Amino acid sequence: GAVVSQHPSWVICKSGTSVKIECRSLDFQATTMFWYRQFPKQSLMLMATSNEGSKATYEQGVEKDKFLINHASLTLSTLTVTSAHPEDSSFYICSAGQPNNSPLHFGNGTRLTVT
Amino acid sequence: KQEVTQIPAALSVPEGENLVLNCSFTDSAIYNLQWFRQDPGKGLTSLLLIQSSQREQTSGRLNASLDKSSGRSTLYIAASQPGDSATYLCAVSRSQAGTALIFGKGTTLSVSS
Repeated sequence: GAVVSQHPSWVICKSGTSVKIECRSLDFQATTMFWYRQFPKQSLMLMATSNEGSKATYEQGVEKDKFLINHASLTLSTLTVTSAHPEDSSFYICSAGQPNNSPLHFGNGTRLTVT
Repeated sequence: KQEVTQIPAALSVPEGENLVLNCSFTDSAIYNLQWFRQDPGKGLTSLLLIQSSQREQTSGRLNASLDKSSGRSTLYIAASQPGDSATYLCAVSRSQAGTALIFGKGTTLSVSS
């Protein structure tokens, strides 16, 4: 079945540094991928929609200059958290879907801790 | 703005019990509804997908129903097992296939042996 791979699974970084998270669709082409953030005991909140070959669409309240999204190919989207701060510590998950009515598939998530 | 609510927030049951998890959404104009399982610190596993034109879907011991007009869905788990312990998330699509999902906060299930 369709698989989405996300890397790294966890990362610890110092405040002020940048972190890149990769999301790959392994056996299908994904023109659209989605990035979510989940704080402890909270639901997944959509951050942005990543569109291959064009600019990402950000949800209200998400800083596009802080969370840089690149979708350079049909199988890879990256999320870069720039100048990370402790409040950015969260669980980030990507998802991708096929153009038919198949369910969306999710990566295993990335646990980001900013010290 | 679509809002998804799940009740209860947490549930503890003994092994073997049948149980029902509830999900409600404020905007009935959905494309589909999906139930996921999330284990602690892990990603999501899709359990069942119900298209807006469907009433229910079944997979093994799981049965999900959808009443689109009333904005409700239920996930029925039969003969619960300790391995079913996880957080169950309900999510609705905003419009067309392949679009982003709006999630509820989930129901954390604990099944004791």
